[in-house]
Formats: sequence, structure tokens, C-alpha cells
Amino acid sequence: DQQVKQNSPSLSVQEGRISILNCDYTNSMFDYFLWYKKYPAEGPTFLISISSIKDKNEDGRFTVFLNKSAKHLSLHIVPSQPGDSAVYFCAASAETNAGKSTFGDGTTLTVKP
Amino acid sequence: NAGVTQTPKFQVLKTGQSMTLQCAQDMNHNSMYWYRQDPGMGLRLIYYSASEGTTDKGEVPNGYNVSRLNKREFSLRLESAAPSQTSVYFCASSELAEETQYFGPGTRLLVL
Repeated sequence: DQQVKQNSPSLSVQEGRISILNCDYTNSMFDYFLWYKKYPAEGPTFLISISSIKDKNEDGRFTVFLNKSAKHLSLHIVPSQPGDSAVYFCAASAETNAGKSTFGDGTTLTVKP
Repeated sequence: NAGVTQTPKFQVLKTGQSMTLQCAQDMNHNSMYWYRQDPGMGLRLIYYSASEGTTDKGEVPNGYNVSRLNKREFSLRLESAAPSQTSVYFCASSELAEETQYFGPGTRLLVL
């Protein structure tokens, strides 16, 4: 039973447009959510996070929205740039189980010039 | 400041062979982790160490052992490698268990 799901394996957008990556979770104990970005042959790097006490967090071009009732979060990238082309992983953890992050399978974003 | 380093970068093993994957971090982090990533899938936690002297099982611990040698180093051992352990292995660290993790570049392991 996959507790964190990224239902879109891939997404293609035009440079300058908005990219929206989605993530759903099933475990109501999850209270901290992160997005990581991964380039080929490299390890993932942290992008942005949000705790369950918030419904939005912004960092420059990146915004994460959390809808706790729907158990859904999304990452918005505005404007999208070709350098944003990478695999994006959603991850979730529970304070009661700190250290045990559960990752989604990732969404490959391609930003076309 | 190298961050998280992993050795080796690539390894080929025969079924039944053993090997140890090494990981070190220079950020004075308390927590360290080992993940595996199979093609088309996310990262799955094998083992983690919330602090020096402690280790705990993750989602997929079978066939692996770990050692938290000191605060800097966290090794992953395959005692008898199987083809199902062919994967990319990532080590990560974080200041505390609930915080953002910093990943190494990965070790690609092929078991024939």
C-alpha cells in the first residue's frame, strides 16, 4: 500500500509557464511534507517543505500548497525554466516517526525552451 | 565542505558476494539514512540512525546490515548479494531526525 502517490509520471511545460506537480497521501499521521529535486546521476536535493500547521509555503519561484482534508499537496513553479527539468519527489513524515520519510515515485518535469 | 560522500560510485557483484557501502558526512549531522532507488520508483528507506549509537529498520531492511561507526560515518553491508539488490543506493544525513535530509551522489550496484 503506497502511502505517498505521485500519479503523474511525467509533465511537460513551456518555458515561462506554470508547472504544477501533485502529490496525494493516505496516512493521516503525516505532518511534515517535503519536495526534493533530482538530476540524473546525482542525489536528490531539498527544494521546499511545509508542515501541517500551514496550508502554503513560498520560496522564490516555488510554492507548495497543502490541503489536509483532501490529503493532497502540490508544488507550483512559476515561471518555469529549462533548468527546472528534473525528477521531483514528494516526501512525507510523521513527528511520531521522525526519520522515516516516505517518498512518492517521482514526476519527471520537462521544461521546453 | 564536501557534504555527504559515498564510496564506491559503481560496483558489480556476483550473487552471494558481500560488500560494504561507505558513507560519510562533514556537516556534524546527528541523523543518517540509507535508501535504495529502483527504476521508476521513489526512494525506499533501508535503515536509519537517528543519532550516534542507534540504528533502526526502515521499510526494506531485509538482506542488509548497518553500522554507525561514529557521528560522521554510516555504512551499509550486503552479506550475500542477490540480483534483487541491484539498485542505486543513496546515503543521506540531517541535523535532526525530523529535518531536511542532504543526500550523497549515490552508489550504483549491479548484482549478477
